[in-house]
Amino acid sequence: QVTLRESGPALVKPTQTLTLTCTFSGFSLTTSGMSVSWIRQPPGRALEWLARIDWDDDKYYSTSLKTRLTISKDTSKNQVVLTMTNMDPVDTATYYCARIRSIPSDCRGRICYGRVMDVWGKGSTVTVSS
Amino acid sequence: DIVMTQSPDSLAVSLGERATINCKSSQSVLYSSNNKNYLAWYQQKPGQPPKLLIYWASARESGVPDRFSGSGSGTDFTLTISSLQAEDVAVYYCHQYYYNSTFTFGPGTKVEIK
Repeated sequence: QVTLRESGPALVKPTQTLTLTCTFSGFSLTTSGMSVSWIRQPPGRALEWLARIDWDDDKYYSTSLKTRLTISKDTSKNQVVLTMTNMDPVDTATYYCARIRSIPSDCRGRICYGRVMDVWGKGSTVTVSS
Repeated sequence: DIVMTQSPDSLAVSLGERATINCKSSQSVLYSSNNKNYLAWYQQKPGQPPKLLIYWASARESGVPDRFSGSGSGTDFTLTISSLQAEDVAVYYCHQYYYNSTFTFGPGTKVEIK
């Protein structure tokens, strides 16, 4: 059974750096094709994708937030860490991590993949306030 | 980045009736090498994380009831709930995961009972 759990501070002050940890089980980030993403959702608003890290340590970031985000993994602990610098009240949100499942398909004789977020954690609520 | 839009913002449908949600991407998410649309649909109920319903625009995730179906190609997609049930009240998001692109979500469509 695949599970993910987000952890981190519930309250951070403006300008501080947020560090969130995603601890997962039921899969390994050393397995080819596996990835983990972070997504956030401000209260009453839409989902916003933040970052992704792949089994081979490739990393992808939201274009609008990439200067503030760093994603990393610790495969020995089955953890993925997201840091976001210079926090602001508009960053108040529930932060989710999700497992990405790679779905293979035939690309004219080679394999290419679609990567969908198929299992999500329950989320970690972060409030930014002085 | 690929921008996703959805319509309507919300809709109210009677129990047992059909609900239709539209999603549009700012550029095609159809990858020519495999003829797959890199488009997924998620359902989010209040207080819960999103749940994957559909991927490849029309492939139903395991365990998802067959009243949920996805269609469309290129830039225009539709999620249909053929016979709305009370437990389908939720916000539905489309999501593109185009090959080697950053991910984006649509703004969501809220489905309620009329």
